[in-house]
Amino acid sequence: DTAVSQTPKYLVTQMGNDKSIKCEQNLGHDTMYWYKQDSKKFLKIMFSYNNKELIINETVPNRFSPKSPDKAHLNLHINSLELGDSAVYFCASSQGFLAGGQETQYFGPGTRLLVL
Amino acid sequence: LAKTTQPISMDSYEGQEVNITCSHNNIATNDYITWYQQFPSQGPRFIIQGYKTKVTNEVASLFIPADRKSSTLSLPRVSLSDTAVYYCLVVVSNTGKLIFGQGTTLQVKP
Repeated sequence: DTAVSQTPKYLVTQMGNDKSIKCEQNLGHDTMYWYKQDSKKFLKIMFSYNNKELIINETVPNRFSPKSPDKAHLNLHINSLELGDSAVYFCASSQGFLAGGQETQYFGPGTRLLVL
Repeated sequence: LAKTTQPISMDSYEGQEVNITCSHNNIATNDYITWYQQFPSQGPRFIIQGYKTKVTNEVASLFIPADRKSSTLSLPRVSLSDTAVYYCLVVVSNTGKLIFGQGTTLQVKP
C-alpha cells in the first residue's frame, strides 16, 4: 500500500487555467505538507497543515490555495496558472508537527506540472 | 534564519566511502539536522537525523561538530544504486521553519 499518494502524476495545462492536485496519506499522520521542486532540484516548502489547521504558509502567491478536508488529505488548488508554476509538486506527511524537530517526513511520488 | 549550503555535485566509484558536507550557518540551538535521499522521479526519503556528535544507522553516519555549523553525511562503500540527490534539512524546532539545502547530486561510477 502506498503511504503517501498524489494525483495526478503528470499534469499538462495551458496558462490561465485552474487545476488541483490531490494528496492522501494512509499513515495516520497529523501533519501534511506541500513542497515545490524547481528545475534546479531546489525544494521549497509551501504549506503545512496540522490536524486540518494551516500552520506553515510560506511566501506563495495567493493563486495557490491548500485545502485539508480531513487529516488524511491535503489538496492544492492553483488558479490562473503561469509558466513559472511549472515544477514538481511533492506532498509529504509526518507524525506530528516536527515536535523537537525530530519528525520524519514521508514524501509522495510527486506531480509533474507543465504549464504551456 | 538558518541557511544551508551543499556542494552541487560529487563523483565517486563503487566501494568508496563518500562524505557530503552541509554548512548551516546561524543554526539555532534547537535545530535538528536531517538528510534525505532522492532518486529520479521519486520523492525524497529519510536517511538519517542528528542533533550533535555522531549518529549511525544501517545505511549512513552523520557527523556533527561541536559548533554545529556543519554536518557531514557519510555513506560507506557506495554502490551504483546510491546514485541520487542528497539533501540536508535544518528544522527550526520552535517555529517549524524548514530549510532544505540545494541538494548534492552524487554520481557513483563502476
